[in-house]
Amino acid sequence: AQKVTQAQTEISVVEKEDVTLDCVYETRDTTYYLFWYKQPPSGELVFLIRRNSFDEQNEISGRYSWNFQKSTSSFNFTITASQVVDSAVYFCALSGETGANNLFFGTGTRLTVIP
Amino acid sequence: DTGVSQDPRHKITKRGQNVTFRCDPISEHNRLYWYRQTLGQGPEFLTYFQNEAQLEKSRLLSDRFSAERPKGSFSTLEIQRTEQGDSAMYLCASSVPSGEPQETQYFGPGTRLLVL
Repeated sequence: AQKVTQAQTEISVVEKEDVTLDCVYETRDTTYYLFWYKQPPSGELVFLIRRNSFDEQNEISGRYSWNFQKSTSSFNFTITASQVVDSAVYFCALSGETGANNLFFGTGTRLTVIP
Repeated sequence: DTGVSQDPRHKITKRGQNVTFRCDPISEHNRLYWYRQTLGQGPEFLTYFQNEAQLEKSRLLSDRFSAERPKGSFSTLEIQRTEQGDSAMYLCASSVPSGEPQETQYFGPGTRLLVL
């Protein structure tokens, strides 16, 4: 079975601080994909990144970076120099060989950036 | 706007009534997905279409729920005899084959349902 755990329910930071959102996953599949989505107050899920299980290279995109570590089954997301516009709920998701077309989401982390 | 669109954005209904939601995927995306998201939770998979064929249904999709995608373009999700427990955000997503086992799903804005 696939499972995603986002232990941080809510995080508040002051603008310009760095913040890391944790994601731990469980799967028995050899091939799987990990995703991060952002859900602003408007409700629409915005795709941020996708990684497959064979690519452990960390990735940086502007102020966003992702750290994928298979040894700890984690796929953490860091926002550098946070901005008020980063305030949203962030979801980590997993899909695997079984139910490959389903995304299994964590419960999300609500990030509030205080000006 | 060429993203996924959903209609209506909000729906309030009384228990026992039927409701229908529509989803228009990104053009040329042949895969379409429905998810349900309750307050404070992540989205949960309901069902998936490839073109007009409904290929997978979750156990969450009770007999009162039916989804269609008659021409392989837009899709409808109908809930019959609504119950208060059906109150949730219903999200639609679409994807296009990328040659990899799992494609990236792009989501619409959702339809928020409130059953009184």
